[in-house]
Amino acid sequence: QVQLKESGPGLVQPSQTLSLTCTVSGFSLTSNSVHWVRQPPGKGLEWVGAIWSGGSTDYNSALKSRLSISRDTSKSQVFLKMNSLQTEDTAIYFCTRYDNNYFDYWGQGVMVTVSS
Amino acid sequence: DIQMTQTPSSMPASLGERVTISCRASQGISNYLNWYQQKPDGTIKPLIYYTSNLQSGVPSRFSGSGSGTDYSLTISSLEPEDFAMYYCQQYDSSPWTFGGGTKLELK
Repeated sequence: QVQLKESGPGLVQPSQTLSLTCTVSGFSLTSNSVHWVRQPPGKGLEWVGAIWSGGSTDYNSALKSRLSISRDTSKSQVFLKMNSLQTEDTAIYFCTRYDNNYFDYWGQGVMVTVSS
Repeated sequence: DIQMTQTPSSMPASLGERVTISCRASQGISNYLNWYQQKPDGTIKPLIYYTSNLQSGVPSRFSGSGSGTDYSLTISSLEPEDFAMYYCQQYDSSPWTFGGGTKLELK
């Protein structure tokens, strides 16, 4: 069955770089796109960016200068890197599969806290 | 960016009650509108896609409608498991944007 699981450090210092991994199973990254969505504590959902089945990427324009999404199809992994982290980047980060124009499967999310 | 405004932000309701959540886009989105449910443990699942199509496995008490800039999610008769957060999301144009969420609470 389709599964996505996020992993990464729970705590990142301000101005440092965040690196997250989304490991997927039950589908191929060359058949479906994977997106990242984040949720600050007590707030709503914000689309972060995507890597499409063909390997191209899309980023939220507000984050684009700090963001990079890549993948390793042989390992079924998608990577998010965001630099120059600030406290407002504290959030739960979800990866989610996009199919038929909606997010049909979601990971459980990983909490990232930006603090010194 | 297309702004999505959800109302109300919270809604106390009773078991068996019929409720409607609204979502308004800052411009027309041609029915490119999805709805999601987030449970208190954080898990998110799709409910409705392309305005009115029920995701497989979602109970028929959930329905969606709308057009242009105005959309709605209706739950015909609330069950205990329906008390959760609900989000609309547009995919008419990038960046995909979500509404601010509606918290459905037990009255």
